[in-house]
Formats: sequence, C-alpha cells, structure tokens
Amino acid sequence: GQNIDQPTEMTATEGAIVQINCTYQTSGFNGLFWYQQHAGEAPTFLSYNVLDGLEEKGRFSSFLSRSKGYSYLLLKELQMKDSASYLCACMDSNYQLIWGAGTKLIIKP
Amino acid sequence: DARVTQTPRDKVTEMGQEVTMRCQPILGHNTVFWYRQTMMQGLELLAYFRNRAPLDDSGMPKDRFSAEMPDATLATLKIQPSEPRDSAVYFCASVGRVRNIQYFGAGTRLSVL
Repeated sequence: GQNIDQPTEMTATEGAIVQINCTYQTSGFNGLFWYQQHAGEAPTFLSYNVLDGLEEKGRFSSFLSRSKGYSYLLLKELQMKDSASYLCACMDSNYQLIWGAGTKLIIKP
Repeated sequence: DARVTQTPRDKVTEMGQEVTMRCQPILGHNTVFWYRQTMMQGLELLAYFRNRAPLDDSGMPKDRFSAEMPDATLATLKIQPSEPRDSAVYFCASVGRVRNIQYFGAGTRLSVL
C-alpha cells in the first residue's frame, strides 16, 4: 500500500532549528514535496526533491534519500510566523500526490 | 499575480440542499485537482482532470458528488444532496505543463447543518 508518515506535532523555540521527518512508501516515485499550511489557509509550496541530497532555500532546506524512503524539512532561525502545519507529499507513478497527515509545528518565544 | 480562484469562500447550507463549488485554475495550467480536508482525514483527493478530461474520481462518493470541467477556465464540484458529514474545506489545485507543483486556491469552507 501507499503510506506517508510524519510526526503529528512538534514544538520548538524561536531562533532555534527544527527538523521534520517524513518516511514514505508509494507505488513509483516522481518526487517528494513539502508544503506549509497556516491555520485556516491553503497549503503553499515549499520544496520539491526528486534526486537524493539536500536542497537549500533560505532558512528552509529539504533532504531526500530515495533508497531509504526518507525526507526531512529543516527550518533554521525559527520565527513565530513559522508556526503552521507542514505537509509531506510523495508523487507516485501516476503523478498523483500522496499526502501525509501533516506535522503541526508550534513555535514558543 | 497568477492564482487559483475558488468561490464561494464560505458556504453554510442545510442538509439535503445542493452545493456547487467553483474553481478557476491558473491560466495555462492543464491539470486540476479537487481535495477535501478535515481535521480527522487530512487532505483527500476527490477527483482530477487533465486537459479537461476526468482521469480519476475514485475518491469521490459517486451517489452524491459530481465534478466537471466545462471549459479550461472553470472546474466545478457539486454535492446533491448535501449531508452534515460533507462539512469540510474543499480545495482546488492546478498544475502547469512544465512543473509538477500544485498551486492551491483559498478553499471553500462548507458547513452542512
């Protein structure tokens, strides 16, 4: 079957670093996506990995290991506005996104 | 500023009534997805279209839900009759021909009383 696992909730401190992990099992693989969703808003695209390795984009980085079925999203220099849910999604062989349930990230001052 | 537009933003209706949600994808995008999001289930794919043709609607309750794309600038999702368990946020997302990134509309928050 197809499955995406990520932690339900994480808490971190403003200014710190947090890593959100995601493991996946899908039929076929055409990339791994991370989206950010603030409460009451739509998901917005953060990153896309299709090859192994680390992709850095400002304070956010995303890592992929295809052999391990594993990805993480790394957020540095956390700000209060980073409080949101972070959704991991895997694109399968039909180019459909299989979504994780999301990780709610709580930032404390 | 290209964006996916969904209407209405909020809808409150009574059980048994028909509900129609509309989506205007980003101009030039040829793939449109309909999702439903609840606290319990997360994001569920209901249906999607490519070049206006329905490719997969297996996630949609067939007896009451229908999705259409009458032209390249409009996708609709209809529920008839609506039930309280349909209460959720319904998102539309579109994808262009070159990249696989899905861009989401602001969603329709549906409450069925």
